[in-house]
Amino acid sequence: RKEVEQDPGPFNVPEGATVAFNCTYSNSASQSFFWYRQDCRKEPKLLMSVYSSGNEDGRFTAQLNRASQYISLLIRDSKLSDSATYLCVVNKPGTYKYIFGTGTRLKVLA
Amino acid sequence: DAMVIQNPRYQVTQFGKPVTLSCSQTLNHNVMYWYQQKSSQAPKLLFHYYDKDFNNEADTPDNFQSRRPNTSFCFLDIRSPGLGDAAMYLCATGKGGTSGIRGSYNEQFFGPGTRLTVL
Repeated sequence: RKEVEQDPGPFNVPEGATVAFNCTYSNSASQSFFWYRQDCRKEPKLLMSVYSSGNEDGRFTAQLNRASQYISLLIRDSKLSDSATYLCVVNKPGTYKYIFGTGTRLKVLA
Repeated sequence: DAMVIQNPRYQVTQFGKPVTLSCSQTLNHNVMYWYQQKSSQAPKLLFHYYDKDFNNEADTPDNFQSRRPNTSFCFLDIRSPGLGDAAMYLCATGKGGTSGIRGSYNEQFFGPGTRLTVL
């Protein structure tokens, strides 16, 4: 089993749609979870940290389910500008390292 | 603004000709990372520093070396670039755990990357 697993997509959705991505992780001792957004040929940029209680930032909502070891990202009212790859990142406990998922590609269509 | 800077942004080299990529940060973070990212793949960790403590990944080729002369700067040296080394190289920083707590819990900050082409 991969340490961090994501559906690579692509998810093709119309503007205004709601789309959700999941990411599973294998190490139950992981404590820090992040969603990064990466545009083509650019660096990853932090979209959201994921907190135990769940958190929301505008149209974006992140959830953590420790029992099932997954995190999710919900995007409401998709915009064309949301088209990007969304990377799930989880800390590797006891180290300074992070494990990246392969990313989920989102294409929002006009 | 505090940031992570990488130079050059684009580097073209010839097969076998050594190249050095640089990274600097104004965040005063104690952890610095070098990643290699190829098209449609996740970033792959090459090595990282906690302060001056160097940590190499087991599958990082010997062709890749790194130096961190001080907190702010970190270099990636590719001694004999091959065609397979063409990629985006990303530098990142992070705030490692303090008060004896080993591990990183905070987000990483990435530089804009250096795109390496090998001819």
